[in-house]
Amino acid sequence: DGGITQSPKYLFRKEGQNVTLSCEQNLNHDAMYWYRQDPGQGLRLIYYSQIVNDFQKGDIAEGYSVSREKKESFPLTVTSAQKNPTAFYLCASIARGQGVSGNTIYFGEGSWLTVV
Amino acid sequence: DAKTTQPPSMDCAEGRAANLPCNHSTISGNEYVYWYRQIHSQGPQYIIHGLKNNETNEMASLIITEDRKSSTLILPHATLRDTAVYYCIARKGGYNKLIFGAGTRLAVHP
Repeated sequence: DGGITQSPKYLFRKEGQNVTLSCEQNLNHDAMYWYRQDPGQGLRLIYYSQIVNDFQKGDIAEGYSVSREKKESFPLTVTSAQKNPTAFYLCASIARGQGVSGNTIYFGEGSWLTVV
Repeated sequence: DAKTTQPPSMDCAEGRAANLPCNHSTISGNEYVYWYRQIHSQGPQYIIHGLKNNETNEMASLIITEDRKSSTLILPHATLRDTAVYYCIARKGGYNKLIFGAGTRLAVHP
């Protein structure tokens, strides 16, 4: 089945460590997104990429880095510079615009990151 | 993308219709209205989207006012499994950045 796969589902990080969250999609989508969600809060945009080898910062990019070397992959690295990394992280993707019909955003099931 | 405003929480009795409002007064002509919902600790689930006409699918109906400044998501017969946070998003039909608001926490009770 086509979809978005995030891994790992749960991850524990020690203070000062970098960790990388994986996001893979087999939907042939051009654009991919990373969101952060804190308990009881909405989704905040970290980074997004509209095409391979290109990405833009979202609203809370500090302390995070991404790469987009392949169309199907958009990994997110949470660096030690991110002071409060404990959160739920969601990856999303969307196909190229379909003109008047709009297009649907697909989400992965999320990854929980906890700093210990 | 236009900013959307939703009530923080709503209640609905099981079996009744749930009507969730969304204000998007600054929406532009080429921006669609999307609705998603999120059950705790899961990825958001697509519900419905529309441009200016009312839309209906197996999950819900979307009513967009004629001036497009607001819309209502209707769950015709709410069940306990519809308890979730519902997000209304206004965005263009391309793939620019997607901004989510705080959403509406819908509680369906017996």
